[in-house]
Amino acid sequence: EAQVTQNPRYLITVTGKKLTVTCSQNMNHEYMSWYRQDPGLGLRQIYYSMNVEVTDKGDVPEGYKVSRKEKRNFPLILESPSPNQTSLYFCASRPLDRNNSPLHFGNGTRLTVT
Amino acid sequence: AQSVTQLDSQVPVFEEAPVELRCNYSSSVSVYLFWYVQYPNQGLQLLLKYLSGSTLVKGINGFEAEFNKSQTSFHLRKPSVHISDTAEYFCAPLVGKYIFGTGTRLKVLA
Repeated sequence: EAQVTQNPRYLITVTGKKLTVTCSQNMNHEYMSWYRQDPGLGLRQIYYSMNVEVTDKGDVPEGYKVSRKEKRNFPLILESPSPNQTSLYFCASRPLDRNNSPLHFGNGTRLTVT
Repeated sequence: AQSVTQLDSQVPVFEEAPVELRCNYSSSVSVYLFWYVQYPNQGLQLLLKYLSGSTLVKGINGFEAEFNKSQTSFHLRKPSVHISDTAEYFCAPLVGKYIFGTGTRLKVLA
């Protein structure tokens, strides 16, 4: 089944404790992206990647890191989480063979930083 | 700069009633337009899209949307909603990258 898989689904951590949220897709998509969803703000893009070893900042990159060592994986790293990073995070991917292809989303990771 | 506005943050409607969720966008260039739906505790999934051609597009679950270039709108409609349509709906123009609206929570009441 074609899918984007995020882990974990839920995560509670404390301020300053490094964490990684994993994202993997099995559709051979070139493009992958991370979003955060907050009430009243919709989805805001954190980072994106057009292909292996190519990453770029989105609209709200501060406090986050990503890497794209393999085409299928795009982990999101919070080196020193803070309470304002409490949010619902989504990973998404799409092919780049057409410039109007839809995004495929994972089921989300709900992060709470205390 | 491109932007998108979903005017209604919440829309309550009774089952079997019609519904319209509004979306307006601003762009100086041509856009592709998408609606995504997010059911509780799930990720977003594609509902429908406008790429070109007929301005009335049909999507899954009986939803449709009409592209109006002069009013820069892409409103989502369904003639008769079901309880299972309760979800959050996002309008998302694609202009190089996706720009997501703030979402509209549709609550279908029995």
